[in-house]
Amino acid sequence: DVKVTQSSRYLVKRTGEKVFLECVQDMDHENMFWYRQDPGLGLRLIYFSYDVKMKEKGDIPEGYSVSREKKERFSLILESASTNQTSMYLCASIDPGKNTGELFFGEGSRLTVL
Amino acid sequence: SQKIEQNSEALNIQEGKTATLTCNYTNYSPAYLQWYRQDPGRGPVFLLLIRENEKEKRKERLKVTFDTTLKQSLFHITASQPADSATYLCAQIRVDTGRRALTFGSGTRLQVQP
Repeated sequence: DVKVTQSSRYLVKRTGEKVFLECVQDMDHENMFWYRQDPGLGLRLIYFSYDVKMKEKGDIPEGYSVSREKKERFSLILESASTNQTSMYLCASIDPGKNTGELFFGEGSRLTVL
Repeated sequence: SQKIEQNSEALNIQEGKTATLTCNYTNYSPAYLQWYRQDPGRGPVFLLLIRENEKEKRKERLKVTFDTTLKQSLFHITASQPADSATYLCAQIRVDTGRRALTFGSGTRLQVQP
């Protein structure tokens, strides 16, 4: 089975701290994504990457950056956390060659910024 | 810009009845729509995909329809069970990015009463 693993399920950080959210997938997928999920707003795309060292902005990239140094790992970075970044963060990957185009999601990282 | 909307935030039904969830999109027709299930505190899990040239798709007790005239997809769960209680998300491929990134609706929370 495809596995997408997010390193932290729950984090509590203080305003202004730097936050790293790590995501690893074991299926050699080229494309990886970071979404955040908030009540009533659904999943919103922050950044995605279609290859090592490649990245593209999604709908809400402000306040975030990403890193893709290895194919299996995609990191989301909050340079200076703010309270409005309190959210559930979901990492996903996809095999672009697969017909169904389904996303495989991690379990999520719930971040609280105080 | 393309939007995808799930009109009902929540739906309560009795066990054994058919649940019907709605997904509407604006502007251009997506090449396909996907449906995901999400349990509380977990990442979404892919259920079904339906292509624009398909009117209907079935998988066990699940049925999805795609009406490009109405710009709508309906998701049905027949003979519903309390274990079907979850949030259901519809999603479509984002044509604007040229990459396989998905745009999601905000979800419908289904509660099946025993």
